[in-house]
Amino acid sequence: KAGVTQTPRYLIKTRGQQVTLSCSPISGHRSVSWYQQTPGQGLQFLFEYFSETQRNKGNFPGRFSGRQFSNSRSEMNVSTLELGDSALYLCASSDAGLGAGELFFGEGSRLTVL
Amino acid sequence: AQSVTQLDSQVPVFEEAPVELRCNYSSSVSVYLFWYVQYPNQGLQLLLKYLSGSTLVESINGFEAEFNKSQTSFHLRKPSVHISDTAEYFCAVTPDSGGYNKLIFGAGTRLAVHP
Repeated sequence: KAGVTQTPRYLIKTRGQQVTLSCSPISGHRSVSWYQQTPGQGLQFLFEYFSETQRNKGNFPGRFSGRQFSNSRSEMNVSTLELGDSALYLCASSDAGLGAGELFFGEGSRLTVL
Repeated sequence: AQSVTQLDSQVPVFEEAPVELRCNYSSSVSVYLFWYVQYPNQGLQLLLKYLSGSTLVESINGFEAEFNKSQTSFHLRKPSVHISDTAEYFCAVTPDSGGYNKLIFGAGTRLAVHP
């Protein structure tokens, strides 16, 4: 089985721009979560989608949004980029609908905002 | 709300020595507990988890963790480490009801194994 695939792996943007990151979960997994990883704040939960519905959201401003498609692939979007948005964005998929299962993480998309 | 405290940001240790990575959590409800490992330039991988039952859980590569409810701890131990264990280790929690796949992570402990 292929693992969780995130694209692009690296990208550089400037302040004010927007960015879209993509995540393809493991086949059969219906849950996709997104996390932001920074040296200062560590790993922070952004949101989780299950069967195209957002069922959990972290404490991030509305500039951070996401969606999930019928094939379980997910995208997250960050608008009006700020320097502080520079981070590794990790996507994780799971086949456990109620949680407590294993999260399978992708290698991440490293965003640099200049 | 839940929170996780990993008491050591870095732990240096010599190869074949024992190691303990400490994790304490705070929660007003029952939780599931996890340890994840992150190797350089990679995503996170599940090391082990506690859901219920025996308070001692083991991984396939020799790590073990013990859930202590009274001390709200979930420390990770290995009796003899290898160079290949060098990585960052994250303790995480989620409520056992309604948490779905939202994990609250600790700040991480960087384990450096020296020859």
